[in-house]
Amino acid sequence: EMQLVESGGGLVKPGGSLRLSCVVSGFSLNYFTMNWVRQAPGKGLEWVASINTGSTYMYYGDSVKGRFTISRDNAKNSFYLQMNSLRAEDTAVYYCAREFPGPGLPFDFWGQGTLVAVSS
Amino acid sequence: QSVLTQPPSASATPGQRVTISCSGSTSNIGTNTVNWYQQLPGTAPKLVIYSNDQRPSGVPDRFSGSKSGTSASLAISGLQSEDEADYYCAARDVSLDGPVFGTGTKVTVL
Repeated sequence: EMQLVESGGGLVKPGGSLRLSCVVSGFSLNYFTMNWVRQAPGKGLEWVASINTGSTYMYYGDSVKGRFTISRDNAKNSFYLQMNSLRAEDTAVYYCAREFPGPGLPFDFWGQGTLVAVSS
Repeated sequence: QSVLTQPPSASATPGQRVTISCSGSTSNIGTNTVNWYQQLPGTAPKLVIYSNDQRPSGVPDRFSGSKSGTSASLAISGLQSEDEADYYCAARDVSLDGPVFGTGTKVTVL
């Protein structure tokens, strides 16, 4: 059974940092581009970042560019999101998602999400 | 800010058909294919349609998708109570490095 499990969320003060982790099982991380997507309370989905299989390409949404860094460790079946200079507007549930390498590049499997709350 | 526009809500009685629209532009839907996600209350999104009209394994054939020009649609026929959820369209945009999501539509089964 394929699973993605996020961890690392919590309450942090504005300007602070957090590192999210996503551990996958049931498939090899070696073959998939992986993504982070977030959802602010009561709001819609927002793509945050992606990283390709060899970590040669990392892309970011405009709202997090320069503050967040995505990385991966295929040997540990894990990938990460380092979040620095956090702002109140970064408060959201953060989901990790696998990108299917086919038509439309859909996100075919998602984790259950981890809540990040930025507040003083 | 979402660049794909969906109606905030849609509703129908059990057994009826409901259709959700997703309006974009030439830089996203007009150029790339559309995926649809279902989000049940308190859960993670789930892929229900990819590449405009393809159903992943396990998704009932009551779900269907289509695309025309810069718009796309998701239809749910034979509506059931378990279909009550938020639905989001998504597409790649030529000016961005990742997908853009629609504003979301809450489907209510009356």
